[in-house]
Amino acid sequence: TQLLEQSPQFLSIQEGENLTVYCNSSSVFSSLQWYRQEPGEGPVLLVTVVTGGEVKKLKRLTFQFGDARKDSSLHITAAQPGDTGLYLCAGYGETSGSRLTFGEGTQLTVNP
Amino acid sequence: EAGVAQSPRYKIIEKRQSVAFWCNPISGHATLYWYQQILGQGPKLLIQFQNNGVVDDSQLPKDRFSAERLKGVDSTLKIQPAKLEDSAVYLCASSLTGRRFLLGNTIYFGEGSWLTVV
Repeated sequence: TQLLEQSPQFLSIQEGENLTVYCNSSSVFSSLQWYRQEPGEGPVLLVTVVTGGEVKKLKRLTFQFGDARKDSSLHITAAQPGDTGLYLCAGYGETSGSRLTFGEGTQLTVNP
Repeated sequence: EAGVAQSPRYKIIEKRQSVAFWCNPISGHATLYWYQQILGQGPKLLIQFQNNGVVDDSQLPKDRFSAERLKGVDSTLKIQPAKLEDSAVYLCASSLTGRRFLLGNTIYFGEGSWLTVV
């Protein structure tokens, strides 16, 4: 079983602060995705990273895939209350077929 | 474009009772997924269909859970008999195809069906 560990599990910050969420594994992933899930809704895809070392930016969000394709990070600049939600990383392992494996998630709260 | 539809949104049952959840995927999506998300955890794949065939059900507790997608469109997930540990959100999702390397093959999730077993 290929596991994804996210840290921190909970994060509460003030509006305007920066933050980084981490997603780590001992296994290699062929691609990794980040989702955001708001209360009462299903996860929504934010980004997919495929190449080791890849960096993608989505407005104030920066996503990075580790060189060895075992880890990823999500950095948010100048967080806003609208960024509040559960951030999930998920990956397609090299041996898990077409199954998408999710991490446990990071619950982010941005206080105004 | 209509999203993934699920019903019911909320269900409370007693242990050992049965429950069924329904899902209608996005039109034209060949692949349908059922995930279980326990509070405080990430979603876990229960079963994946490609049209009306099962691609992966290795994590489905087959002694109590069953799912079908008879006509390759909508799907039903059943739990019988339910246990306390089945309390979770059951998320249905769909994608154009199950080919993970296909760019743009995004998985779209429904809002989920919340199950509480008492």
